[in-house]
Amino acid sequence: GAGVSQSPSNKVTEKGKDVELRCDPISGHTALYWYRQSLGQGLEFLIYFQGNSAPDKSGLPSDRFSAERTGGSVSTLTIQRTQQEDSAVYLCASSLGTSGSSYEQYFGPGTRLTVT
Amino acid sequence: AQSVTQLGSHVSVSEGALVLLRCNYSSSVPPYLFWYVQYPNQGLQLLLKYTSAATLVKGINGFEAEFKKSETSFHLTKPSAHMSDAAEYFCAVSADKLIFGTGTRLQVFP
Repeated sequence: GAGVSQSPSNKVTEKGKDVELRCDPISGHTALYWYRQSLGQGLEFLIYFQGNSAPDKSGLPSDRFSAERTGGSVSTLTIQRTQQEDSAVYLCASSLGTSGSSYEQYFGPGTRLTVT
Repeated sequence: AQSVTQLGSHVSVSEGALVLLRCNYSSSVPPYLFWYVQYPNQGLQLLLKYTSAATLVKGINGFEAEFKKSETSFHLTKPSAHMSDAAEYFCAVSADKLIFGTGTRLQVFP
């Protein structure tokens, strides 16, 4: 079956512009996560959605970052007024649930963001 | 708070040799523990997971890991390295979101 998909695969933007990154989770997965992978910071958690609960935004690095998940499926990560330090690979993952064997997270291929 | 420490950012082994990648965790609650592999220019793939069932966990590609509560460790092993095992390996701990270690890059020499 289809895995987690992300678009675009690559994005180059100028400093100060806004960008939107999209994630399509595996159908039926209730939990969706965003992570960022960069050379200096490794793999960092950004935000997490579980069903209809309020998202866990504790990993968002600044108020320039936001995310939404519409209809419990597709998610969009928005970065406003991009800075060069935002350059990274943004990874999305989804899981069937958040306990026991349903917890396994499946990752998408990522979006490589370059801010010039 | 939960955290993961991976000892050794780079590990080199000869083809056919034992692979041992170290991971120690810190968690105030019984943890879920994971090992992920990332091949060059690819996403993260789950190798194996510990979710409080058997302490010895077998994963894909011949890898396994043993959960040792007394040592707060979850080291990854493979008896015989293959060239195709060259990749970056990440240990992670979780109660909901994943907290990753800094990764260990495995090189396999012929």
